[in-house]
Amino acid sequence: EVQLLESGGGLVRPGGSLRLSCTASGFSFSGYAMSWVRQTPGKGLDWVASISASGDTTFYADSVKGRFTISRDNSERAVYLQVNSLRIEDTAIYYCAKVAWASGNFLDSWGQGSLVTVSS
Amino acid sequence: DIQMTQSPSTLSASVGDRVTITCRANQSISTWLAWYQQKPGKAPKLLLYQASSLESGAPSRFSGSGSGTEFILTISSLQPDDFATYSCQQYYSFPLTFGGGTKVDIK
Repeated sequence: EVQLLESGGGLVRPGGSLRLSCTASGFSFSGYAMSWVRQTPGKGLDWVASISASGDTTFYADSVKGRFTISRDNSERAVYLQVNSLRIEDTAIYYCAKVAWASGNFLDSWGQGSLVTVSS
Repeated sequence: DIQMTQSPSTLSASVGDRVTITCRANQSISTWLAWYQQKPGKAPKLLLYQASSLESGAPSRFSGSGSGTEFILTISSLQPDDFATYSCQQYYSFPLTFGGGTKVDIK
């Protein structure tokens, strides 16, 4: 059974930083791309970033480019999201998700989410 | 960026009803479309991919159709477990984008 467990969320001041982590089990982690998707409570889903299986290719939403960094450690079966220069509008639940297969960036397994609250 | 628009935003229905939800893209995405179900306080769950392929374990009352710019999610006979929010997602190109969601609630 695929399991994704996020951690690292919390309350942070505007301009602050956090590092979100997602640890994976139940599948061959190094063979799959991974993504982060966020959701403001009561709102729709908002893709944030994706990273290839090897970690050598990354993609970002324009709204986070230059502030957020996605990375992974295949030996640790973990994917990370370093979030810097946080803004009020970054407040959201951040989900880690497994990309289904190489030719299709849809998300077949999701973590339970980690809440990031940006507030002064 | 490809914009995804869902309609309706809210849908009231009864158990046993046939329900359809529409998702439109502002440019052709072929069949690079997925549908997700999300319940309050829970993560999204994949229902369909490639517009019409049912994810393993998803009930057969869910079906998808469409290609190009217009897509439909159909629930053939609404069950109590189906009251949830449904979202479409295009994966034709980055940035990946989602529709705004359709909440299916009890009539």
